[in-house]
Amino acid sequence: SQTIHQWPATLVQPVGSPLSLECTVEGTSNPNLYWYRQAAGRGLQLLFYSVGIGQISSEVPQNLSASRPQDRQFILSSKKLLLSDSGFYLCAWSVQRTLHFGNGTRLTVT
Amino acid sequence: KNQVEQSPQSLIILEGKNCTLQCNYTVSPFSNLRWYKQDTGRGPVSLTIMTFSENTKSNGRYTATLDADTKQSSLHITASQLSDSASYICVVSPGTASKLTFGTGTRLQVTL
Repeated sequence: SQTIHQWPATLVQPVGSPLSLECTVEGTSNPNLYWYRQAAGRGLQLLFYSVGIGQISSEVPQNLSASRPQDRQFILSSKKLLLSDSGFYLCAWSVQRTLHFGNGTRLTVT
Repeated sequence: KNQVEQSPQSLIILEGKNCTLQCNYTVSPFSNLRWYKQDTGRGPVSLTIMTFSENTKSNGRYTATLDADTKQSSLHITASQLSDSASYICVVSPGTASKLTFGTGTRLQVTL
């Protein structure tokens, strides 16, 4: 069966520090991969998606970037965090119609 | 602009009671509608997915309905349990997973 791993679960980082969140998927090949951000009281916002290794599409201009160095690995990064980057970050994968989410990373920028 | 609106924003019910959550959407084109359950601090988990031609779909005590003409969906929870306490998110797809529109969710609390 397919599983998705996302870590860390929680992270507290100072403003201006770098960020690296990692997501890996097991049990499937060539999945579409996604990074979402969920802010309190708002719907999930798609940040990046990838249909293959090295292929990244950005949905909103921001302080973040994404990379897909391997088929089942998706990384969300920032060189310098802003206070506004705080939120709940979710990685997801899909092969057919259903999105499968990881358990998220709660990022607090202080 | 594509939008998904859910109501109520929050709901408190007693264990064993039924409840219905609403979702209205203005997404076009329409391919399918999904309901997700999200426990606090966890990722959403899919409950049901419905296409244009499906009116009702059940998953245990969860029953989703879809009226594509009025662009409305509902999620009915029967004989609620404490473990049903979560946020329920309605998501509408135009057919491309990268173009989903998410509702802000209904936060359900089931109490004794």
